[in-house]
Amino acid sequence: DTAVSQTPKYLVTQMGNDKSIKCEQNLGHDTMYWYKQDSKKFLKIMFSYNNKELIINETVPNRFSPKSPDKAHLNLHINSLELGDSAVYFCASSQHGAGGYNEQFFGPGTRLTVL
Amino acid sequence: GDSVTQMEGPVTLSEEAFLTINCTYTATGYPSLFWYVQYPGEGLQLLLKATKADDKGSNKGFEATYRKETTSFHLEKGSVQVSDSAVYFCALSSNTGNQFYFGTGTSLTVIP
Repeated sequence: DTAVSQTPKYLVTQMGNDKSIKCEQNLGHDTMYWYKQDSKKFLKIMFSYNNKELIINETVPNRFSPKSPDKAHLNLHINSLELGDSAVYFCASSQHGAGGYNEQFFGPGTRLTVL
Repeated sequence: GDSVTQMEGPVTLSEEAFLTINCTYTATGYPSLFWYVQYPGEGLQLLLKATKADDKGSNKGFEATYRKETTSFHLEKGSVQVSDSAVYFCALSSNTGNQFYFGTGTSLTVIP
């Protein structure tokens, strides 16, 4: 059973397009996250949702908009894609938020390439 | 604010060599500490964790001890294998806020 799943695994698109990445977790966790990993493997948190409510919103262009229809899903929509958006995007989940002792479980990643 | 600093890579070792990847942290309160591993083309997986001072986390031959006096959580393995080649991330979970902090990652390559 896949704990945290993301689709698609690869996404190649042209500059200026709008795209979405979907994430689902079947762990019953309360909190979900989106991270961006650049080519040097640096991991940057973008958003965090707890029970469908936004709790962390780091400095991210407003072209990025997360949507959480329920606590098992956190999708990422990106408008007007730019070359610098090319990266691997990871979804993750944890129980009761990051504060405290709860490890995060990661999805397999979505490699986005903007041409 | 809270943060994690880990040694820069890349690190290249021969099979059966001893591995140490240094990690130090800055935190208020009493954080939990983690090591994650990312194999090529995959997401991050929890390798081990420690939730209080002097705890030792261990898994797959890797160990790390939560040292409050030196604010460190160094990762060690006595004899690395080619299959250990991956990127290793030190991380901290703050118990005074709602944040999880990752280090910059250390790439390890083990050669036969």
